Amino acid sequence: TQLLEQSPQFLSIQEGENLTVYCNSSSVFSSLQWYRQEPGEGPVLLVTVVTGGEVKKLKRLTFQFGDARKDSSLHITAAQPGDTGLYLCAGDNNNNDMRFGAGTRLTVKP
Amino acid sequence: GAGVSQSPRYKVAKRGQDVALRCDPISGHVSLFWYQQALGQGPEFLTYFQNEAQLDKSGLPSDRFFAERPEGSVSTLKIQRTQQEDSAVYLCASSALGTGATYEQYFGPGTRLTVT
Repeated sequence: TQLLEQSPQFLSIQEGENLTVYCNSSSVFSSLQWYRQEPGEGPVLLVTVVTGGEVKKLKRLTFQFGDARKDSSLHITAAQPGDTGLYLCAGDNNNNDMRFGAGTRLTVKP
Repeated sequence: GAGVSQSPRYKVAKRGQDVALRCDPISGHVSLFWYQQALGQGPEFLTYFQNEAQLDKSGLPSDRFFAERPEGSVSTLKIQRTQQEDSAVYLCASSALGTGATYEQYFGPGTRLTVT
């Protein structure tokens, strides 16, 4: 059972468009991480957010942690084909395990 | 290379066979995690080691699953009497830090297990 709900499950857009994907939970997390996973590879960490309301930018990617530390969003500006992949969020509730969502599978068409 | 490596990358097993999956973490990393990723899903936690100590095995789905890290570096995940529902990608991740801190996990490429 995955505590984190990600939406949308699938997203297909044209190059140059903007998009936002969401990660929601009823649980509070001490931190939340976003990963990108490509076929045949393990997830690669993009960012960690720790403070409620925190916003972090990584080039064209903007990550926000909800004020209550239960949800997060990832916004991509001017998407490129290289952004294609599975975007996973994972929450740390101070146990040993990171709880992952099922991911949003993004396809950016040239 | 300096990353996490896993072997084999692909494994096909007949139902009832035993399998052993290996993980070589980044040298010096204290923490090691195993995850199971079913098709179309995110990774699900299986077990966690800090050095050679298995501190959490709450995610192991049955007593057919066993993991070890005897010298605090390489880890092996063993699955006995494999079943079709065991088919998945098994991911290993390592981290430089122990628990109680926000840590970055580095993942290996995974082992894709198919049970026929």
